[in-house]
Amino acid sequence: DGGITQSPKYLFRKEGQNVTLSCEQNLNHDAMYWYRQDPGQGLRLIYYSQIVNDFQKGDIAEGYSVSREKKESFPLTVTSAQKNPTAFYLCASSPNLAASYNEQFFGPGTRLTVL
Amino acid sequence: GESVGLHLPTLSVQEGDNSIINCAYSNSASDYFIWYKQESGKGPQFIIDIRSNMDKRQGQRVTVLLNKTVKHLSLQIAATQPGDSAVYFCAEKVEAGGTSYGKLTFGQGTILTVHP
Repeated sequence: DGGITQSPKYLFRKEGQNVTLSCEQNLNHDAMYWYRQDPGQGLRLIYYSQIVNDFQKGDIAEGYSVSREKKESFPLTVTSAQKNPTAFYLCASSPNLAASYNEQFFGPGTRLTVL
Repeated sequence: GESVGLHLPTLSVQEGDNSIINCAYSNSASDYFIWYKQESGKGPQFIIDIRSNMDKRQGQRVTVLLNKTVKHLSLQIAATQPGDSAVYFCAEKVEAGGTSYGKLTFGQGTILTVHP
């Protein structure tokens, strides 16, 4: 999984609770990303961060929050405002946000289920 | 190819056959393309990439073809093996600049099943 770890692998949450998903990378990458994947669909971007203490909303940021206090860490909080949080969450990193040819490396994912 | 909704395109092949997975991308300004493989319950893994100034690139057992005229990308897997069974995604990236930071846009994926 390219030096990116996500924890936990499976997470269960009751409705109305906030929950935080962990993402850590030891690749010394500047850019980090959070995606959501639903069955039969491609990846949709939630948030991304180009550098420490900076992050931007992606296509589906409502109901989510992030922080980037350290280069190697980019935790995602799924808040109670997220109406349909059950999904597979993927964290990714890349060396540099804007470099033209810049593959993203993915973590193993966290499967969140709301009970 | 790609489809909208919950039903992914599927491709079933016999072990040893060659596989071709297709992807229609959306943005003529995209300048970089990646194929990822995703096994069940795991994160996507990089397979091969291609820049827009190329029309073909080969890796180990895999070849990516790019046709910019019709905005079409394909992944060819030679001598397909059961371990190749997975969902395959194409991703396109628009050149960074202006308001675009160069994000990746992913297709919905194709399910490849290889029968022994």
